Amino acid sequence: TQLLEQSPQFLSIQEGENLTVYCNSSSVFSSLQWYRQEPGEGPVLLVTVVTGGEVKKLKRLTFQFGDARKDSSLHITAAQPGDTGLYLCAGKANFGNEKLTFGTGTRLTIIP
Amino acid sequence: DAGITQSPRHKVTETGTPVTLRCHQTENHRYMYWYRQDPGHGLRLIHYSYGVKDTDKGEVSDGYSVSRSKTEDFLLTLESATSSQTSVYFCAIAGQYTGELFFGEGSRLTVL
Repeated sequence: TQLLEQSPQFLSIQEGENLTVYCNSSSVFSSLQWYRQEPGEGPVLLVTVVTGGEVKKLKRLTFQFGDARKDSSLHITAAQPGDTGLYLCAGKANFGNEKLTFGTGTRLTIIP
Repeated sequence: DAGITQSPRHKVTETGTPVTLRCHQTENHRYMYWYRQDPGHGLRLIHYSYGVKDTDKGEVSDGYSVSRSKTEDFLLTLESATSSQTSVYFCAIAGQYTGELFFGEGSRLTVL
């Protein structure tokens, strides 16, 4: 079983601060996705990264896939209350294998 | 909206009773998934389906069975519910070309 560990598990910061969330594994993934989930709803996809070392930006969010495709990070610049939520990374082991393994999650709270 | 609905959204039952959760999609997607979400564990895959009558186990399949007799419906059955199966259950479908998962709104099950 492939495991994805996310850190920190909980993070509470003031509006305007920067933060980084990590997603680590000992396994190699063909692709990695980041989702955000709000209370009472299902997760919603933010981004997919495929190539080792790849960096993608989504407004104030920057996602990076590790060179060895075993880890990823999510950096948020100038956090806003609307960024509050549960952030989940999810990895796909092999091309053609449609099973997605989810990380343990990071619950982020932005204090106005 | 991805056209995916779950029912029931909330259910309270007693230990030892059978429970069936239904996932219905209007997108005609081939892949459908059942996950459970528990604090500290993220989302864990129970079973998934890659076509009508084609299903496979996920990482936490013990105590669960599934059926898919039509493309649009994926049923999750707990033959004899236990308290450890108290959880929030999410159904998801996979985007046809992107690999993105679209989730339902979840079904909260409490086993007393």
